[in-house]
Amino acid sequence: AQKITQTQPGMFVQEKEAVTLDCTYDTSDPSYGLFWYKQPSSGEMIFLIYQGSYDQQNATEGRYSLNFQKARKSANLVISASQLGDSAMYFCAMREGEGRRALTFGSGTRLQVQP
Amino acid sequence: DARVTQTPRDKVTEMGQEVTMRCQPILGHNTVFWYRQTMMQGLELLAYFRNRAPLDDSGMPKDRFSAEMPDATLATLKIQPSEPRDSAVYFCASGLGQGRMNTEAFFGQGTRLTVV
Repeated sequence: AQKITQTQPGMFVQEKEAVTLDCTYDTSDPSYGLFWYKQPSSGEMIFLIYQGSYDQQNATEGRYSLNFQKARKSANLVISASQLGDSAMYFCAMREGEGRRALTFGSGTRLQVQP
Repeated sequence: DARVTQTPRDKVTEMGQEVTMRCQPILGHNTVFWYRQTMMQGLELLAYFRNRAPLDDSGMPKDRFSAEMPDATLATLKIQPSEPRDSAVYFCASGLGQGRMNTEAFFGQGTRLTVV
């Protein structure tokens, strides 16, 4: 079974609008962490935001926020006020097992920001 | 500016040749990961080291791939013999893995391997 599911292969958003990238996960481990990475066309993987399974509040980092719905096992990334430089692949990832395991990645969503 | 350094950035080789990819993790990081990225499979974990010891290499084809950490500043991934299906971008990442959940993995720029 897929650990991380990203159902949107591609998304378009107008510049300055907000966009939500979906991510659902599957784990029976009570302790886990959820991560979002950005991969621009240059290829590097850039860490954006983290949410822990025990965190009471949704994580925020600048224009990025994570809409964490534990009961639904979803961890959607919200990008506010989109910029042209936000055009990239976005990957959701999970770490289980008290940090003993490596990150498992979803298939990614390609976001294109239109002027 | 601490970063993970991977060499070479690009490698084109003929089928059957040995390929060695190198990674210098961020100083002080005790976990190292090797991932492979392809269009079809996405990002797959190949190997995971903590304190230079392999914790998980179940994703790595054992017959031709090998991963080692000769010391804390160097991780290597070797393919021998290489095959066209090994063509991919290989990422090395490092992090702090003292049982902390919130430590992200810092990725290198990747090695783009093409086997012809």
